[in-house]
Amino acid sequence: QSALTQPASVSGSPGQSITISCTGTSTDVGEYVSWYQHHPGKAPKLLIYEVSYRPSGVSHRFSGSKSGSTASLTISGLQTEDEADYYCSSFTSSSTLYVFGTGTKVTVL
Amino acid sequence: EVQLVESGGGVVQPGGSLRLSCAASGFTFDDYSIHWVRQAPGKGLEWVSLIRWDGGATYYADSVKGRFTISRDDSKNSLYLQMNSLRTEDTALYYCAKDGTRRGYYHYFDSWGQGTLVTVSS
Repeated sequence: QSALTQPASVSGSPGQSITISCTGTSTDVGEYVSWYQHHPGKAPKLLIYEVSYRPSGVSHRFSGSKSGSTASLTISGLQTEDEADYYCSSFTSSSTLYVFGTGTKVTVL
Repeated sequence: EVQLVESGGGVVQPGGSLRLSCAASGFTFDDYSIHWVRQAPGKGLEWVSLIRWDGGATYYADSVKGRFTISRDDSKNSLYLQMNSLRTEDTALYYCAKDGTRRGYYHYFDSWGQGTLVTVSS
């Protein structure tokens, strides 16, 4: 089972919006895509589940969507504390039940 | 507040064994499936294993199948990962993560611990 493909890095200025893509096959990227924020040395944090649902407590600046076999995470109103690594994940029908994306480092300029 | 605290990591030689633990609090432990996820140095996240909320099913990544065993003790609100026949490529930070669905299908990880480091080296 191959990892989902994400851009290695994305950057933006404070206040801007950025979008991180997550591409796999149609069986990988279905309705169970989730997104995680990971500051090194800290526990990863769930941002989005089931493509576009936001857990309580997560900022409305984070939103998720999907088109075909590509899921996307958009961060609007970029803030310095958004600088972190971001991973998508999907439940799959393969023997390895879950696959993660390759990860994207977000830099706030 | 949900808390997950991993322990048991360390340095072990190739072919050796190690048992990781994860102590949970802040939620009804036996209502939730729990996962192990790892991150090798400089690499991304990799799902390792899952045990269903009732302990009735376990699942493993192909990379660890036959070598790792996941278990839980609901009386202690604890999760375990017995790792045998360890390889250098098992070197990673191991996280336990709570599934997001109560007694249901398991589709995402809504709470994570801070991880315990396993180093496999001669």
